[in-house]
Amino acid sequence: GQQVMQIPQYQHVQEGEDFTTYCNSSTTLSNIQWYKQRPGGHPVFLIQLVKSGEVKKQKRLTFQFGEAKKNSSLHITATQTTDVGTYFCAGANDYKLSFGAGTTVTVRA
Amino acid sequence: GAVVSQHPSRVICKSGTSVKIECRSLDFQATTMFWYRQFPKKSLMLMATSNEGSKATYEQGVEKDKFLINHASLTLSTLTVTSAHPEDSSFYICSVGWETQYFGPGTRLLVL
Repeated sequence: GQQVMQIPQYQHVQEGEDFTTYCNSSTTLSNIQWYKQRPGGHPVFLIQLVKSGEVKKQKRLTFQFGEAKKNSSLHITATQTTDVGTYFCAGANDYKLSFGAGTTVTVRA
Repeated sequence: GAVVSQHPSRVICKSGTSVKIECRSLDFQATTMFWYRQFPKKSLMLMATSNEGSKATYEQGVEKDKFLINHASLTLSTLTVTSAHPEDSSFYICSVGWETQYFGPGTRLLVL
């Protein structure tokens, strides 16, 4: 079945620095989605990428979908304490989502 | 996006008892709802797809007699963990939506 791998599992970042989390699918995806889960909370939808090579930005967050529609990345610039949480990618195929393991981000001031 | 509620938010029960978790779609008529399970510091694992008025579709490895799902209306799906054991302790989350998912706040189940 479809597998979605996500790295790194943990990212400890100095406030103000940038970081990237990567997502890889074993199969071609119809779309990829990103969610954020704050500590103790539930996943919240961030964005969906559909087109090959698509790039979308949300303020300091930049999302990319690979040309082959099998990988994706989330890049956060100038990390802030509000960025703390776990970021999940989720690959969609046949309207079923397969979640990556998530990247848990902690920020040191 | 859709607003989803879950009840209860937390439950502690004794081993061998059954626990019912409700998932309500407050502003979205959901013919389909999804139930996920999340272990601490782990990803979300899809357990089953709940279909209004028909049987749920369970993922491989999920016991349908253990995790009973009922989706009686377009706004309510329930998950019953039958004869719960400590290994069933987890965070159970439901969601609605077809492509993008809107999650409920989750239910933390602790089985003693």
